[in-house]
Amino acid sequence: DAKTTQPNSMESNEEEPVHLPCNHSTISGTDYIHWYRQLPSQGPEYVIHGLTSNVNNRMASLAIAEDRKSSTLILHRATLRDAAVYYCILREHGDSGTYKYIFGTGTRLKVLA
Amino acid sequence: NAGVMQNPRHLVRRRGQEARLRCSPMKGHSHVYWYRQLPEEGLKFMVYLQKENIIDESGMPKERFSAEFPKEGPSILRIQQVVRGDSAAYFCASSPGTAFSGNTIYFGEGSWLTVV
Repeated sequence: DAKTTQPNSMESNEEEPVHLPCNHSTISGTDYIHWYRQLPSQGPEYVIHGLTSNVNNRMASLAIAEDRKSSTLILHRATLRDAAVYYCILREHGDSGTYKYIFGTGTRLKVLA
Repeated sequence: NAGVMQNPRHLVRRRGQEARLRCSPMKGHSHVYWYRQLPEEGLKFMVYLQKENIIDESGMPKERFSAEFPKEGPSILRIQQVVRGDSAAYFCASSPGTAFSGNTIYFGEGSWLTVV
């Protein structure tokens, strides 16, 4: 099972900031937090990832709590093209000493014009 | 989507036929993952492969499904004797490795299988 929990859905008005929360209370000290999004009929798209410090890139910002048990993806100005399912993911330890990425149910973001 | 190539994009098969889905990872990536997404559901991990090795197949159905990643050529996800319940989108992802948690995996556009 996924090690992260997210709200099932959120709404935002166009041109307004959006804060997408994620809880990962069992995160280990070396786990990066990854965010992906999936637009309808497309493959998941990498958004951002981070370890401890807040991270910024051209798509979004990632705010990581000091205890690392939660994080927030921030879209500074939502557009209609940002309507998607957003996934917060930790790498999970799998069989044979390897790792894999398990997706949870994600947050479906609806952007209102 | 960052260079992971999947084909075919759409595939229609009759019940009982075989489906072969191909995935070419990004240049320089030696790790491939396959995921399945049923309609209106999330992505489910199926299998993780490195060149010539299956590393983790804990998400693969026990029968009819197999995957390979040969030394040369793309990774193949093979579904034998397809049934209607196999209709789904199959996504491939690749990464340079997993030793480092900060490695990002990049997804292809997916292959949509329809079983009629």
